[in-house]
Amino acid sequence: SQKIEQNSEALNIQEGKTATLTCNYTNYSPAYLQWYRQDPGRGPVFLLLIRENEKEKRKERLKVTFDTTLKQSLFHITASQPADSATYLCALGGGGNEKLTFGTGTRLTIIP
Amino acid sequence: DTAVSQTPKYLVTQMGNDKSIKCEQNLGHDTMYWYKQDSKKFLKIMFSYNNKELIINETVPNRFSPKSPDKAHLNLHINSLELGDSAVYFCASSQDTGAGYGYTFGSGTRLTVV
Repeated sequence: SQKIEQNSEALNIQEGKTATLTCNYTNYSPAYLQWYRQDPGRGPVFLLLIRENEKEKRKERLKVTFDTTLKQSLFHITASQPADSATYLCALGGGGNEKLTFGTGTRLTIIP
Repeated sequence: DTAVSQTPKYLVTQMGNDKSIKCEQNLGHDTMYWYKQDSKKFLKIMFSYNNKELIINETVPNRFSPKSPDKAHLNLHINSLELGDSAVYFCASSQDTGAGYGYTFGSGTRLTVV
C-alpha cells in the first residue's frame, strides 16, 4: 500500500533562512501533490498544488518541487518568519474519485 | 463568512451514546469529505460525497454514518460511541472529486468519549 513519509517530525530554522521540508512516497504514482499548513487547534489550510508533469511551482515565498523519479517533493519557505511556524502536511492523490492521502506532517519552528 | 463550518466545535460524551456532527460549506463545491485526525495528528479520510452521492467509504466501522441532504451539507452520525472514537473530526470540501483541487477544511470538532 502507498506510504507517505515526511522526513522530519520537527524542524527548527533561524529566522530569515530558507526552510526545506521533505515529502517522500512509495508504492504509488500520484497525479497530484499538495501542501497544507496546520496551526494548533485549526484545520489544514491549502497552500500549493503541483501536478506530476510539473517540476516546480512557486507562490510568493513558497516553492514546491515534485520529482516523480525520486518519488519526492520538497517544500521551501524562503526568508522564513516566526509567523511561518506551524505543521506542514503533504498530501497526494490521483484524479477521478481517488482520495487525497496525507503525510504525518512536519512541525516547523522559526526561531527569531 | 466561514467557508466550511462545522458544529459543534467540542463534544464530550459518554461511551455508548449517539452523537452527530454537522458540516456546511458555502463555496459552491461539489465534493465534501470527513477526515479523522488522531492523537498523533495523522489525518485519515473517512468518507467522500460528490453532489450527495457517496464516493469514498474507507474501512470505517458502520457505527459511523454520513448523510448528505444536499451538496452544501454533510453530516456525520456516530452510534454507540467508543473510547477509541476520541479524535478531531474535520469536514472539508473541494470543487470536484480527486486530488486535482485544493481542499478547504473546517476548524474541526474535538470529540472526547469518556
